[in-house]
Amino acid sequence: DARVTQTPRHKVTEMGQEVTMRCQPILGHNTVFWYRQTMMQGLELLAYFRNRAPLDDSGMPKDRFSAEMPDATLATLKIQPSEPRDSAVYFCASTLDRLNQPQHFGDGTRLSIL
Amino acid sequence: AQSVTQLGSHVSVSEGALVLLRCNYSSSVPPYLFWYVQYPNQGLQLLLKYTTGATLVKGINGFEAEFKKSETSFHLTKPSAHMSDAAEYFCAVSGSGAQKLVFGQGTRLTINP
Repeated sequence: DARVTQTPRHKVTEMGQEVTMRCQPILGHNTVFWYRQTMMQGLELLAYFRNRAPLDDSGMPKDRFSAEMPDATLATLKIQPSEPRDSAVYFCASTLDRLNQPQHFGDGTRLSIL
Repeated sequence: AQSVTQLGSHVSVSEGALVLLRCNYSSSVPPYLFWYVQYPNQGLQLLLKYTTGATLVKGINGFEAEFKKSETSFHLTKPSAHMSDAAEYFCAVSGSGAQKLVFGQGTRLTINP
């Protein structure tokens, strides 16, 4: 089965450090989403792209977060500088821009900022 | 705008008993509705979806859900719970195009032996 691949699976770093999370969407999918999951807030949409162009990043703190798609097979989410409140599980999901198509999720990056 | 309310953050049932997880939605356009399951340390996996057509939708692992427009509900059921069903379940809604999803807060399902 085709899968969304996220790296790293776990990341522990100190406050102030730059964090980069990567996502390889399913081949052929043209829409990519980034979510953050915490106990308090649940699943939050941070940003999403269609055909590599950002469509909505209103859920993302602009001062420290950035999301890009350097090419169709790679999406990145960066945090600089990181803060303890950024500790969460970050999920990437991809889908095909067609009616009725569900989102397919990766297994997430568990981020801990000390 | 869309929103989802999952009634009960935690549901506990006995093995072999009926599973009922409740989801109510709000949508200003005809909704597309989804149920996802999340096992520990994994991403979300699609259980089933409603887009148009038949209001009773069957999914994987014996789950099904019924879209009731008059009640703005999309409850998830399974006739007989299995230990492997223990997980967190998320209901989600989107507008036409099934792209941007709005998720409920999730319901943690525990199965008692």
